[in-house]
Amino acid sequence: AQSVAQPEDQVNVAEGNPLTVKCTYSVSGNPYLFWYVQYPNRGLQFLLKYITGDNLVKGSYGFEAEFNKSQTSFHLKKPSALVSDSALYFCAVRRADTGGFKTIFGAGTRLFVKA
Amino acid sequence: DAMVIQNPRYQVTQFGKPVTLSCSQTLNHNVMYWYQQKSSQAPKLLFHYYDKDFNNEADTPDNFQSRRPNTSFCFLDIRSPGLGDAAMYLCATSRVEGTQNFGPGTRLLVL
Repeated sequence: AQSVAQPEDQVNVAEGNPLTVKCTYSVSGNPYLFWYVQYPNRGLQFLLKYITGDNLVKGSYGFEAEFNKSQTSFHLKKPSALVSDSALYFCAVRRADTGGFKTIFGAGTRLFVKA
Repeated sequence: DAMVIQNPRYQVTQFGKPVTLSCSQTLNHNVMYWYQQKSSQAPKLLFHYYDKDFNNEADTPDNFQSRRPNTSFCFLDIRSPGLGDAAMYLCATSRVEGTQNFGPGTRLLVL
């Protein structure tokens, strides 16, 4: 069975400081991993994904994430946070090899960036 | 711009009165999904289509049905809405690889 854990309900960071939003996953076989962001009363927006290749993936708005197979983690990072990064962040996983499309989302982490 | 469109953005219905939410896409993606999201929780997959192939999640209530008449459109029918069905309903599309493009959502209120 697939599962995603986002251990922090909320992350607080000061503007200009680096931020990390944690994600660990469990999946049989190889994973496809995704990060999405959601602003109030909006749909989710794709940030970045890991499919294969380089473990460090770069995405939209200066975000990046590192795939760590041994730790089954895919933490989202940004070197310098902006107040406008404040939003709800979801990590998601899908099995790469079954041809199915079911994607499991984590419970979400709310990021607050203080000016 | 290519996009996923959901109408209406807000829907109010009465307890037990059938309601239909619509989703359209200009991305020409094979896969379309319907999710239910409550109170900033994780989106919960209700069902998805791969072309015309319908896939229902095991825990999706029978009250929820879906139709996909063509590649561009997908509908969510709630036959007898209950108070517990009040939520944000998100439509998404993807190619086979799976990066999903989400619509803005329809917020359903059941009175």
